Amino acid sequence: AQKVTQAQTEISVVEKEDVTLDCVYETRDTTYYLFWYKQPPSGELVFLIRRNSFDEQNEISGRYSWNFQKSTSSFNFTITASQVVDSAVYFCALSEARDDSWGKLQFGAGTQVVVTP
Amino acid sequence: GAGVSQSPSNKVTEKGKDVELRCDPISGHTALYWYRQSLGQGLEFLIYFQGNSAPDKSGLPSDRFSAERTGGSVSTLTIQRTQQEDSAVYLCASSSTQGFMNSPLHFGNGTRLTVT
Repeated sequence: AQKVTQAQTEISVVEKEDVTLDCVYETRDTTYYLFWYKQPPSGELVFLIRRNSFDEQNEISGRYSWNFQKSTSSFNFTITASQVVDSAVYFCALSEARDDSWGKLQFGAGTQVVVTP
Repeated sequence: GAGVSQSPSNKVTEKGKDVELRCDPISGHTALYWYRQSLGQGLEFLIYFQGNSAPDKSGLPSDRFSAERTGGSVSTLTIQRTQQEDSAVYLCASSSTQGFMNSPLHFGNGTRLTVT
């Protein structure tokens, strides 16, 4: 069975601080996909990144970066120089690497990030 | 361009009544997913459509829940004899094809269902 654990329920930071969100997953599949989504107060889930299990290269997109460590089953997310607009709930998710059901995501419980000015 | 559209945005219903929730996916997206977000259970998968067929209904919590999709486009999620535990935000998502190399899931804003 698949499982995604986001142990941090809430993280509060002051603007311009860096914040790292932890994500640990469990799966028996040898190939799988990992995702991060952002849910701002407006409620819409916003896609941030999708990563293949066979691609362990870290990725940076602007102030966002992701560290995928297959050996520890972790896919952590860092926001550098946080801004108030980063305040949201962030979800890590996992799915099987199957053509017919890759969008069936197992979500973690989410981490609430609060950035204060 | 238009995103995934869900209606109504809010629905309040009395326990025991039936409700229908609608999802209009992004034009051309063949795959459509329903999820539910509740305080107690977090984000849960409900059902998946590829075209008009539903290969995976494993997430539907009971036989009071059903969904259909017609014309490979609009989908309706129906909850019969609603219960208070059905109160949640129901989210719809679509993607362009089944394959990984194509678009990720695009979510709508959801329908907030409150059963009184």
